[in-house]
Amino acid sequence: SQQGEEDPQALSIQEGENATMNCSYKTSINNLQWYRQNSGRGLVHLILIRSNEREKHSGRLRVTLDTSKKSSSLLITASRAADTASYFCAPEGGSEKLVFGKGMKLTVNP
Amino acid sequence: EPEVTQTPSHQVTQMGQEVILRCVPISNHLYFYWYRQILGQKVEFLVSFYNNEISEKSEIFDDQFSVERPDGSNFTLKIRSTKLEDSAMYFCASSGANYGYTFGSGTRLTVV
Repeated sequence: SQQGEEDPQALSIQEGENATMNCSYKTSINNLQWYRQNSGRGLVHLILIRSNEREKHSGRLRVTLDTSKKSSSLLITASRAADTASYFCAPEGGSEKLVFGKGMKLTVNP
Repeated sequence: EPEVTQTPSHQVTQMGQEVILRCVPISNHLYFYWYRQILGQKVEFLVSFYNNEISEKSEIFDDQFSVERPDGSNFTLKIRSTKLEDSAMYFCASSGANYGYTFGSGTRLTVV
């Protein structure tokens, strides 16, 4: 398993704005997953994109995957204060375990 | 929506004592995991469990740790002789054939 690297490490925006976070990884994957963690809470699975998919939507979330660049992005549209959390990408391939990086801390100001 | 349930939510124990953290994974999931997160740090993988045996473990998962699936529903993590540095949030997770983990809300372990 490998760890994804999220960028930027922190982002502060106003409510209603869009938030984009990027993830890079090093070796080939079967899928890539995004998770959210509210402070002091567990990780919540947001979306999974498979290696043969390029884009996926779920509500206000849009995920893209570019396997040639070994990168993914997560877009949160029309952000809300409740979106304030840390976001993690988890590339998965070859081993069922996931390895989490430092994440991206998103602050949405009301 | 199915949930992974962890108990207790908070446990305080004295150094050197044994603790058992309990988890009820999602019933049709096949893979089970324990992770931990020391305050302010990354979520770290401890161990994965499949087909009634450990499939992978990290360097953190030394001899003081053990896991068990004593019946068809529970998945436990035992720490035999707790140390101060074992203080952390411990998360259980399970996954099925369609990937995507479901994490529990965690057990906050405080060793004093």
